Amino acid sequence: EAQVTQNPRYLITVTGKKLTVTCSQNMNHEYMSWYRQDPGLGLRQIYYSMNVEVTDKGDVPEGYKVSRKEKRNFPLILESPSPNQTSLYFCASRSTAGLAAYNEQFFGPGTRLTVL
Amino acid sequence: RKEVEQDPGPFNVPEGATVAFNCTYSNSASQSFFWYRQDCRKEPKLLMSVYSSGNEDGRFTAQLNRASQYISLLIRDSKLSDSATYLCVVLSTGGFKTIFGAGTRLFVKA
Repeated sequence: EAQVTQNPRYLITVTGKKLTVTCSQNMNHEYMSWYRQDPGLGLRQIYYSMNVEVTDKGDVPEGYKVSRKEKRNFPLILESPSPNQTSLYFCASRSTAGLAAYNEQFFGPGTRLTVL
Repeated sequence: RKEVEQDPGPFNVPEGATVAFNCTYSNSASQSFFWYRQDCRKEPKLLMSVYSSGNEDGRFTAQLNRASQYISLLIRDSKLSDSATYLCVVLSTGGFKTIFGAGTRLFVKA
């Protein structure tokens, strides 16, 4: 089954304790992206990657890091989480083949993070 | 001003009604446009892409007006199962950055 998986699905942590949220896709997609969703603000893009070793900032990159060492994986790293990073996080992937700009983004199920 | 703006609603409509959602975007160089649907904090799923000529998929019709920087979604004959949040999505030039509207909440009542 074609899918995007994220782990963990739920996480409660404390300020300053480094954490990683994993994201993996099995569709051989070149493009991957991370978003956070907060009430009233919608989804906001954190980082995206056009391919292996190619990443760039979205609209809200502060406090986050990413890496893209393999095509299928795109982990999100919070080196020193703070309470304002409490949010619902989604990973997504999209093919860049064909009419790339109109290709569907496939989302993972989300990770609900609480930073105390 | 937000890059993509939507009426947050909620829209409360009876079954069978026709409902229209609007979305405006600020960057005239935006490349492509979509409507996604999101159910209660689950992952967004593509409803339909929005092409310059307008497009229809069953009960759903999407239109794009580049001159006015405006996108619309029309839902005809609303079903209970249409209750969800509808997200307007815009891709920047090059298709790299993705910008979401905050979403419009729809409740369809029996």
